[in-house]
Amino acid sequence: SSELTQDPAVSVALGQTVTITCQGDSLRGYFASWYQQKPGQAPVVVMYGENKRPSGIPDRFSGSTSGNTASLTITAAQAEDEADYYCNSRDTTTNHLHVIFGGGTKLTVL
Amino acid sequence: QVQLQQWGAGLLKPSETLSLTCAVSGGSFSGHSWTWIRQPPGKGLEWIGEINHSGNTNNNPSLNSRVTISVDTSKTQFSLELSLLTAADTAVYFCAGGRKVTVPAANKYYYVMDVWAQGTTVTVSS
Repeated sequence: SSELTQDPAVSVALGQTVTITCQGDSLRGYFASWYQQKPGQAPVVVMYGENKRPSGIPDRFSGSTSGNTASLTITAAQAEDEADYYCNSRDTTTNHLHVIFGGGTKLTVL
Repeated sequence: QVQLQQWGAGLLKPSETLSLTCAVSGGSFSGHSWTWIRQPPGKGLEWIGEINHSGNTNNNPSLNSRVTISVDTSKTQFSLELSLLTAADTAVYFCAGGRKVTVPAANKYYYVMDVWAQGTTVTVSS
């Protein structure tokens, strides 16, 4: 099976830009989806497809892909962006049958 | 807009069977694959398995022998049973709806879980 790899923790100063990455072979066949999860809450999708943002997600969130690496960028990070972020796709090594998640990145806004 | 509401027992004993149900409202039942995900305390998200409106299932191989996912299209509900529970199954369990979409211009796909329920905390303890 395939895996998605994320850095466990990233920090950013308030108002600065931060990029969270997700690496895995399945990302050559899938655009990653990205989920934000705050303590005690269900995950919420913030980015999917080729840089698509659901309605209600601020435009300071953007996404990109290069080879086997997907990136979620937050421009001018706000205090409310502090959360855990997970990437996700389907596993191309199992004929797309299985769903996989990255291990998550804890974003701290300083 | 699709909404999910889930319910089920939250405190179970080792060797018992977990049973959760998720009700789908407000949209097309056939437009998503219906998925169960769990999150142990302080850890990341783990995919358990999914079912579509036709009853076709895919499960995480690490849990496959203990997992049963079923669907009741007449009630637009789907359910999870996880047998032979141990303390390691203690987690928040979420139901969600996912869509796999083809992006022809990029020769790629995306898969997004764009609707989630609130989660159920399940504790396995004697």
